[in-house]
Amino acid sequence: QVQLVQSGAEVKKPGASVKVSCQASGYTFTGSYMHWVRQAPGQGLEWMGRINPNSGGTNYAQKFQDRVTMTRDTSINTVYMELSRLRYDDTVVYYCAREGQFGELFDYWGQGTLVTVSS
Amino acid sequence: QSVLTQPPSASGTPGQRVTISCSGRSSNIGRNTVNWYQQLPGTAPKFLIYSNNQRPSGVPDRFSGSKSGTSASLAISGLQSEDEADYYCAAWDDSLNHVIFGGGTKLTVL
Repeated sequence: QVQLVQSGAEVKKPGASVKVSCQASGYTFTGSYMHWVRQAPGQGLEWMGRINPNSGGTNYAQKFQDRVTMTRDTSINTVYMELSRLRYDDTVVYYCAREGQFGELFDYWGQGTLVTVSS
Repeated sequence: QSVLTQPPSASGTPGQRVTISCSGRSSNIGRNTVNWYQQLPGTAPKFLIYSNNQRPSGVPDRFSGSKSGTSASLAISGLQSEDEADYYCAAWDDSLNHVIFGGGTKLTVL
């Protein structure tokens, strides 16, 4: 069965960076895009970008273009999302979410990682 | 600011049928398929509908989706208390070259 397991909660200071991981299992890792979606407390879902685990190619939302980096390690079936120059309003839950093999958005989700930005 | 427009709230009584709308543009819903998610409090979103009207395995047939032009709808028939959740629509936007979500609709079962 498909599983996406994310790293644990983080607390960071403003201006710092955070790197969240998402380890996939139960399917061919390089066969599906992985996306990152975030959600502020009590708010809606916001797309951050996606990575092609096969090629490493990425697409980022313009809002995060200069602060986000998505990478992957195919040896351990893991994708990473690094967000730099953290601000207080980056205190949100970050999800990885798989794009289905036929382009479905998004058939499996990670459990979410809360990142708290606090001085 | 969400590019897809959803009503912030909806409600119904057990057994009723409710619909949630999702309005977009030609660059998103007009050209691409719509997906729907259900999010219970404190949990990750759950895949509910894809390709406008297809249900993933395990999703009850009480849930159905439709699309017409630049709008889509999610219908829930035979409403149950466990359907109380937030519902989101999503689609790829060709102009922005990224995924966009609706703002979400909070469904209350009275």
